[in-house]
Amino acid sequence: EDQVTQSPEALRLQEGESSSLNCSYTVSGLRGLFWYRQDPGKGPEFLFTLYSAGEEKEKERLKATLTKKESFLHITAPKPEDSATYLCAVDNYGQNFVFGPGTRLSVLP
Amino acid sequence: EAGVTQSPTHLIKTRGQQATLRCSPISGHTSVYWYQQALGLGLQFLLWYDEGEERNRGNFPPRFSGRQFPNYSSELNVNALELEDSALYLCASSEGFNTEAFFGQGTRLTVV
Repeated sequence: EDQVTQSPEALRLQEGESSSLNCSYTVSGLRGLFWYRQDPGKGPEFLFTLYSAGEEKEKERLKATLTKKESFLHITAPKPEDSATYLCAVDNYGQNFVFGPGTRLSVLP
Repeated sequence: EAGVTQSPTHLIKTRGQQATLRCSPISGHTSVYWYQQALGLGLQFLLWYDEGEERNRGNFPPRFSGRQFPNYSSELNVNALELEDSALYLCASSEGFNTEAFFGQGTRLTVV
């Protein structure tokens, strides 16, 4: 069965303290891996798509990377407004998007 | 460009009633996905529609059903509501399958 796990479950950082979030996946076939940000009570906001091992994408303080078994979301010098739940999802060739449980990030001023 | 829109924003129903949730995809998007997100839990896949056809279904009972209209908008129906159906229901759309999906803000369904 296709499975996506994320770690840590929750992460508290001081403003400016860089860190990484992990997304590990076990799928029969990977067409793409997606990162989303979700604020409480809101719909997920699309961040990145990664398609092949070695690929990297950047957006402001965020950088996503992909290997054959996992993806990392690196957050450089985070600000309080980066506080949210970060979700990763995999596209297993059109069956559906399988989401991980998310990492709750809190950035303290 | 308008994003994915969902209505209503909030819905309160009594156990045993039926709920209808609506979703309008981004213009040009033909695929619509429905997810359930119960409080504190992850996104659980419900249904996927593409070009008017149901393409895949998650592990939910038959009282969860839906359809996609010719204009690609979609409706999710939940019959015989149970208390545990209370959740945020999220709709997402994509240009086709296997491309990134964009989410609406969700419908908060509360069953009392």
